[in-house]
Amino acid sequence: DTEVTQTPKHLVMGMTNKKSLKCEQHMGHRAMYWYKQKAKKPPELMFVYSYEKLSINESVPSRFSPECPNSSLLNLHLHALQPEDSALYLCASSQTSAVAYEQYFGPGTRLTVT
Amino acid sequence: AQSVSQHNHHVILSEAASLELGCNYSYGGTVNLFWYVQYPGQHLQLLLKYFSGDPLVKGIKGFEAEFIKSKFSFNLRKPSVQWSDTAEYFCAVNRPGSARQLTFGSGTQLTVLP
Repeated sequence: DTEVTQTPKHLVMGMTNKKSLKCEQHMGHRAMYWYKQKAKKPPELMFVYSYEKLSINESVPSRFSPECPNSSLLNLHLHALQPEDSALYLCASSQTSAVAYEQYFGPGTRLTVT
Repeated sequence: AQSVSQHNHHVILSEAASLELGCNYSYGGTVNLFWYVQYPGQHLQLLLKYFSGDPLVKGIKGFEAEFIKSKFSFNLRKPSVQWSDTAEYFCAVNRPGSARQLTFGSGTQLTVLP
């Protein structure tokens, strides 16, 4: 099973809302990632978790708050977002982050901030 | 910092035509190379990867790529494209040991006309 699942598929939220994106993998991978992808652009790395610890934060605004409750789950908590945060949010996982392995991507959550 | 260039932003081909998409990277050390594909409305899927060994790698769906170290290139090829190959193609690079993992190119939109 090489599947990464993400919920919800679509999310519309106002600028004062608080919402969460969820990601799950059951491949035993110990590295998980959040990316942001704008239309017709490549994914941009936001966060890297390695062995459930945050190892990389690519200067992401604090209105995005990641959480890794266990090795299979990754959340992204959203609060006070701006319309420019509207994008496809992708989760990915790989065996580890210290050695090169391919990443497996989920289908993404299409976020619209109104 | 490493960077990845995909010079073809949009390629339009007829079915059965041959395909070659260019990818060049800027890092001079050891790299791992990937091609990902994103079909309309679907998630990123790994087409093929190169870590070491034979520089000609074969991937899924009849795609192959050749790593030419002297040219810092990893071009994607397919002898005969199909309408179903219409998608966005991303080249990606990472350096062994880099937790940030993937640096993506800007992507190439391939449109195959039936």
